[in-house]
Amino acid sequence: QVRLKESGPRLVQPSQTLSVTCTVSGFSVTSYHVSWVRQPPGKGLEWVGAIWKGGSTDYNSALKSRLSISRDTSKNQVFLKMNSLQTDDTGTYYCVKGFAYWGQGTLVTVSS
Amino acid sequence: DVVLTQTPSTLSATIGQSVSISCRSSQSLLDSAGNTYLYWYLQRPGQSPQLLIYLVSNLGSGVPNRFSGSGSGTDFTLKISGVEAEDLGVYYCMQATHAPYTFGAGTKLELK
Repeated sequence: QVRLKESGPRLVQPSQTLSVTCTVSGFSVTSYHVSWVRQPPGKGLEWVGAIWKGGSTDYNSALKSRLSISRDTSKNQVFLKMNSLQTDDTGTYYCVKGFAYWGQGTLVTVSS
Repeated sequence: DVVLTQTPSTLSATIGQSVSISCRSSQSLLDSAGNTYLYWYLQRPGQSPQLLIYLVSNLGSGVPNRFSGSGSGTDFTLKISGVEAEDLGVYYCMQATHAPYTFGAGTKLELK
């Protein structure tokens, strides 16, 4: 059974770095790409970036300078790191397998 | 970046009514290999998005056949043939032909 679970801090201070982990089961991150999608409270979905099964990455143009996506294939985990956080980075961060299976998401609030 | 324009932004329907949602792209979503990476999702209140349709017209796993997708190039449509109460929520189209991938702004389906 495919499962994805995001984990990370609930509160991050402005200008700090966000680190979120996606732990997957039921598939290998070397066999399917994994995307990150975020959603500000009450707003729509925004594609953040993806790591492909070969390990290459693609990023949202607007976030590219602050963003890094990586993985640990031995633990079947994918990582999102975003620096210089601002209040408008507040939202629920989802990891997604192959555009089909979504995690439950983790809500991150950027506030001092 | 590719802009996806969804219309309408809000849709009021009665149970059993058939409805359609339009998704128009700022550029063709047909890639050089002949594939069109257009997806439709439903996000029910308080839940993660759920895949409904992939590659324009293919039904996601476990998705009822009252949902159908059509279109080509820049114009795409999601149709619900006989709305049921469980269909209420926000519908999003997403393109994955051109990186960075992008979502439409969403269409909220509510009961009339």
